[in-house]
Amino acid sequence: KAGVTQTPRYLIKTRGQQVTLSCSPISGHRSVSWYQQTPGQGLQFLFEYFSETQRNKGNFPGRFSGRQFSNSRSEMNVSTLELGDSALYLCASSGSYNEQFFGPGTRLTVL
Amino acid sequence: AQKVTQAQTEISVVEKEDVTLDCVYETRDTTYYLFWYKQPPSGELVFLIRRNSFDEQNEISGRYSWNFQKSTSSFNFTITASQVVDSAVYFCALSEADTGFQKLVFGTGTRLLVSP
Repeated sequence: KAGVTQTPRYLIKTRGQQVTLSCSPISGHRSVSWYQQTPGQGLQFLFEYFSETQRNKGNFPGRFSGRQFSNSRSEMNVSTLELGDSALYLCASSGSYNEQFFGPGTRLTVL
Repeated sequence: AQKVTQAQTEISVVEKEDVTLDCVYETRDTTYYLFWYKQPPSGELVFLIRRNSFDEQNEISGRYSWNFQKSTSSFNFTITASQVVDSAVYFCALSEADTGFQKLVFGTGTRLLVSP
């Protein structure tokens, strides 16, 4: 069974730009969660989608948004990038047993 | 409020030593899950174990073992006969019923360095 895939793996953007990251969950998994990892704040929950609906949301500004498609693939978008948005963005997929399996992450650098 | 504390920032051991990584959690929920993940330098979080709040049985998987004690709100992880490949950052995490167990709250991680 293929694992969680994330694209792109690396991204460099400049302040003010926007970015879209993609996540394909494990086949059959309907829940997708997003996390941000930075040296200062550690691993923080962004949001979770299930059946195309956002079920849970973390404490991030509205510049961070996401969506999920009917095939469970998910995207997250960050608008008006700031230097502090530089981070590793991790996606996790979850099936019936609430185990969260993570993808390799997208490393975003904002210059 | 939910919180996970990993007080050990970094641990250094020599190969074949046993090492225990500590995890203390706080939650008001009676139904929750506890997790351990390994993060090698590549960055991907590798799932190691999940434990629900009603199952306090200790678990052993090869060189890995976990000790869950609700009385002390701890979920400690022991690696027996450590190997260089065990070098990584290890995270303990908690999820609660009120988020459908989908929001993981992570500790700050413990960096384990195993030298030959």
